Amino acid sequence: GAGVSQSPSNKVTEKGKDVELRCDPISGHTALYWYRQSLGQGLEFLIYFQGNSAPDKSGLPSDRFSAERTGGSVSTLTIQRTQQEDSAVYLCASSSSTGVSYEQYFGPGTRLTVT
Amino acid sequence: AQTVTQSQPEMSVQEAETVTLSCTYDTSENNYYLFWYKQPPSRQMILVIRQEAYKQQNATENRFSVNFQKAAKSFSLKISDSQLGDTAMYFCAFMKGNGNQFYFGTGTSLTVIP
Repeated sequence: GAGVSQSPSNKVTEKGKDVELRCDPISGHTALYWYRQSLGQGLEFLIYFQGNSAPDKSGLPSDRFSAERTGGSVSTLTIQRTQQEDSAVYLCASSSSTGVSYEQYFGPGTRLTVT
Repeated sequence: AQTVTQSQPEMSVQEAETVTLSCTYDTSENNYYLFWYKQPPSRQMILVIRQEAYKQQNATENRFSVNFQKAAKSFSLKISDSQLGDTAMYFCAFMKGNGNQFYFGTGTSLTVIP
């Protein structure tokens, strides 16, 4: 079946512009995560959605970052007034909260470059 | 707060040899899960192996196995008969039992030398 997809795969934007990054999780997965991976770094947790519950936004680095998940499926991560330090790969993952695995399935990521 | 530490930024191994990647974590939780993920140059994160903390037996997946020492909070990954396709970044990850958040280490870059 289809895996997690993300679009665009690459995005170059000018400092100060807003960007939207999209994630399509695996069908039926109730949990969705956004991470940021800066060059040579590990994964930094940003936000977590679980079903219809309020999202866990504790990892968002500033109020310029926000995310939505419509209909419990597709999610959009929005970065307003982008800064050069926002340049990174943004990874999305989804998982099924049932079963024993809690395995996260990752998308290929969106590489964001802020010039 | 949970932390995951990978103390080896880079490692290399000869093809067909065995290599062990280290990971330690800090938590006050008793119910949790541990994972090793592989990230090749394609950027696609792939689950390598998973361990439930309540299980004493070490997880094994073909050439990959772990040494889980719960008391020491250690979770190392052993790769046997290393192959060129094993070249990648390897991330250790911790998840609390409620599945709320994953905590990742900073990764170990493994190079398999032909």
